[in-house]
Parts: sequence; structure tokens; C-alpha cells
Amino acid sequence: QKEVEQNSGPLSVPEGAIASLNCTYSDRGSQSFFWYRQYSGKSPELIMSIYSNGDKEDGRFTAQLNKASQYVSLLIRDSQPSDSATYLCAVNPRETSGSRLTFGEGTQLTVNP
Amino acid sequence: DVKVTQSSRYLVKRTGEKVFLECVQDMDHENMFWYRQDPGLGLRLIYFSYDVKMKEKGDIPEGYSVSREKKERFSLILESASTNQTSMYLCASSLFGLAHRSTDTQYFGPGTRLTVL
Repeated sequence: QKEVEQNSGPLSVPEGAIASLNCTYSDRGSQSFFWYRQYSGKSPELIMSIYSNGDKEDGRFTAQLNKASQYVSLLIRDSQPSDSATYLCAVNPRETSGSRLTFGEGTQLTVNP
Repeated sequence: DVKVTQSSRYLVKRTGEKVFLECVQDMDHENMFWYRQDPGLGLRLIYFSYDVKMKEKGDIPEGYSVSREKKERFSLILESASTNQTSMYLCASSLFGLAHRSTDTQYFGPGTRLTVL
């Protein structure tokens, strides 16, 4: 089992719809969870971080965390073509030192005008 | 704003050459990381450093070494480049050192696309 798993996609949604990206992780003791966005040919940039169970909202983005189910998701409301990118889920596992992260393979999102 | 820079955006080398990839951050961060990113395999950690002259192996250290002589600079060295090291190399940094700060955020440089012929 991979430590961090994401649906590779591609996920395609129409402009204005809600895009839902999902991630599961294997280490039950994981403490911190991050969503990065990566445009083609560019480096990852942080969108959201979440540390507690529940929802965290930032503009059109909502991160949801359920530690009991070892599941974290990212919702993008009112999706725009500019949201088309690969979204990486990253987890800080309990047993590692410092801020080492384990990344999923990413989900490619396409928002169609 | 955190700024992480990498010495080259594109690099072409020949098999057997020694290759140096440089990364510099300007925010006095303790941690620095080197990843490679390949289609279907995602981001994989090669090495990281939590302090000057300190380093730890990541998930795929074979064929690589690193150097951190100054806090702001972290170098990745391919001792004898091989074609299977053709990849996108990404450097990242984060604020805290070994003290476990799980809320710490990593910031990435622009990446170096290395081709080994």
C-alpha cells in the first residue's frame, strides 16, 4: 500500500462546477496535511494546509480532514479554467524528523470553459 | 516572500559526467530538500538537510550526494550521471530544523530539468 494515494485522474469538470479531489494516507499517526497545486512545467505551490478534523475554507478552496478514515480532500468551488493543474496531496508522517513530507502522485484536473 | 532559486532551469549532460545542481534560499530556513519528479512516480525525496553540514537520506539516495556548507545553499551532486537520472529536480526549503514542527510548510524552487544523454 502506498503511503499517500490519490486518484491520478484526469478529472474533468465544467467551468463553475465543484471539483473534488481525494487523498488517503496509511500512517494513522500523521499530523499535518497539505495540498499543493502544480501547473505544467512549473514547481508545486502551497494552496492549503490542514491539521485538525473538519473543514478549512480559504476563498474557493475547502480542505476536509477525517483522521479516523485517514482521508483528506480538497474541494474547489466555482472552478475556473485557471484551476487546471495537477494537485498534490502531501502528508507529514508521525515518525519522520522535522518537516519531511510524503507526496501522492497527484491528480490532474482540467476545467473546461 | 520566500524565494528559492535553482542554478539552472534546463541542463543537458553526458553519461558519466559529474553534475552539480545548486539551490539557494533567502529566508534563513533550517531545512532544505532535494526531490526528483517523474511521470507516474510523483515527487520522491532524494536527500534533505536540517542544518549546515547535516544531511539525511531520503527515499532514493542511490547515485546522489549532497553538500550544505552554508545555511542558504544546498547542492545536489550526481557523481557519475546516468540516463536513468534524467528527470525534473526540485529543491525545497522550510523554516524549522529537527525539532518536530509538523505544521512546517515547504516552499519549492522553479526546478531543473536534467537530461542525461
